[in-house]
Amino acid sequence: NAGVTQTPKFRVLKTGQSMTLLCAQDMNHEYMYWYRQDPGMGLRLIHYSVGEGTTAKGEVPDGYNVSRLKKQNFLLGLESAAPSQTSVYFCASSPSPGTSFRYNEQFFGPGTRLTVL
Amino acid sequence: AQTVTQSQPEMSVQEAETVTLSCTYDTSESDYYLFWYKQPPSRQMILVIRQEAYKQQNATENRFSVNFQKAAKSFSLKISDSQLGDAAMYFCAYSSAGSGTYKYIFGTGTRLKVLA
Repeated sequence: NAGVTQTPKFRVLKTGQSMTLLCAQDMNHEYMYWYRQDPGMGLRLIHYSVGEGTTAKGEVPDGYNVSRLKKQNFLLGLESAAPSQTSVYFCASSPSPGTSFRYNEQFFGPGTRLTVL
Repeated sequence: AQTVTQSQPEMSVQEAETVTLSCTYDTSESDYYLFWYKQPPSRQMILVIRQEAYKQQNATENRFSVNFQKAAKSFSLKISDSQLGDAAMYFCAYSSAGSGTYKYIFGTGTRLKVLA
């Protein structure tokens, strides 16, 4: 049981390049989330999904797109990277209500450090 | 909109001593959850303790306990018998129970240093 995994762990991009971050979970969780962590600002929600095929915007969605084609995967895309997107990105997942007494607890991946030059 | 405030960017504690990290939040909701997460240098987010708002009893997990004051909207974390391994960033988080999405709102974090 690997929990939540993120690929890649580190990446350096040039301004204008695109990339996709992959999040995978093997806990059969319905809910998945993407956060970014910046110094002095905590973690902020980018996008989230409450089930396969659904996505919704969080607090800071501009410049990012997401897809949830399979229940276990949640992809975060940067179409044209900007230096302001330099950050550490975290994926998390959570069971839905009624499935577990821990349904409101989020389980986090190890993070991806992205640098945009 | 809900907000979470951690007013202590950094705290220090002597090994074996007790330290309290503060967290305040603002909400108009009555049903919600509060969490403390630890982030060591490895970056991994680790759940330390959680509190359901409808429970009056303060949550405890071994050396970690909370002081939950619902009326004051305060949720502080007390670490007893501090150990070198407790050194980390600590984040307070809020999650609405009624939204159906269980999104977290995080505070800005408190860096805890443990002095030998």
